[in-house]
Amino acid sequence: EAAVTQSPRSKVAVTGGKVTLSCHQTNNHDYMYWYRQDTGHGLRLIHYSYVADSTEKGDIPDGYKASRPSQENFSLILELASLSQTAVYFCASSDGTGSNTEVFFGKGTRLTVV
Amino acid sequence: SQWGEENLQALSIQEGEDVTMNCSYKTYTTVVHWYRQDSGRGPALIILIRSNEREKRSGRLRATLDTSSQSSSLSITAAQCEDTAVYFCATDEGSFNKLTFGAGTRLAVCP
Repeated sequence: EAAVTQSPRSKVAVTGGKVTLSCHQTNNHDYMYWYRQDTGHGLRLIHYSYVADSTEKGDIPDGYKASRPSQENFSLILELASLSQTAVYFCASSDGTGSNTEVFFGKGTRLTVV
Repeated sequence: SQWGEENLQALSIQEGEDVTMNCSYKTYTTVVHWYRQDSGRGPALIILIRSNEREKRSGRLRATLDTSSQSSSLSITAAQCEDTAVYFCATDEGSFNKLTFGAGTRLAVCP
């Protein structure tokens, strides 16, 4: 079964601090994504990657960096966390073979910035 | 935004009832994904409908897609308590499987 594992599952961070969210997939998928979900809203794409050592900006990249050191791992980095970045973050993967492809999501990381 | 509605919608129905959730999108897409999100979990794909399909069925689920009006719907027949979840529609840009999600519908079945 396709698996996307996120860590930590929840985190409290201090404003101005650095936060790293990690994601690991065992799907052998080339494509990985980071989405953000705010309460009462749909998910929005922050960054994505289609190959190791390369990342691309999504729809809302400001304030976030991403790192893809290997096919299996994809990290989201908040260099200077802000209150507005309090949200639930989802990592996802897909094999990217076309628009009919299912995207598999992790369980999410709840980030609270105080 | 890609989607017409910006805020999470909420529906509450009784077990055994039928329900339909609607989405409208603004830009061209070749496929609409419907995802279900259970509390504390990530979204999971439940049905996918392509632009050359007007209707798609999977068990008690039925999805429709009208490319002329840029709208899609998801219907659940004879809803059960376990159908309680948030349902999202999402368009797929076509390259890189980048999804654009609607605000979603929170469906409550059973008290």
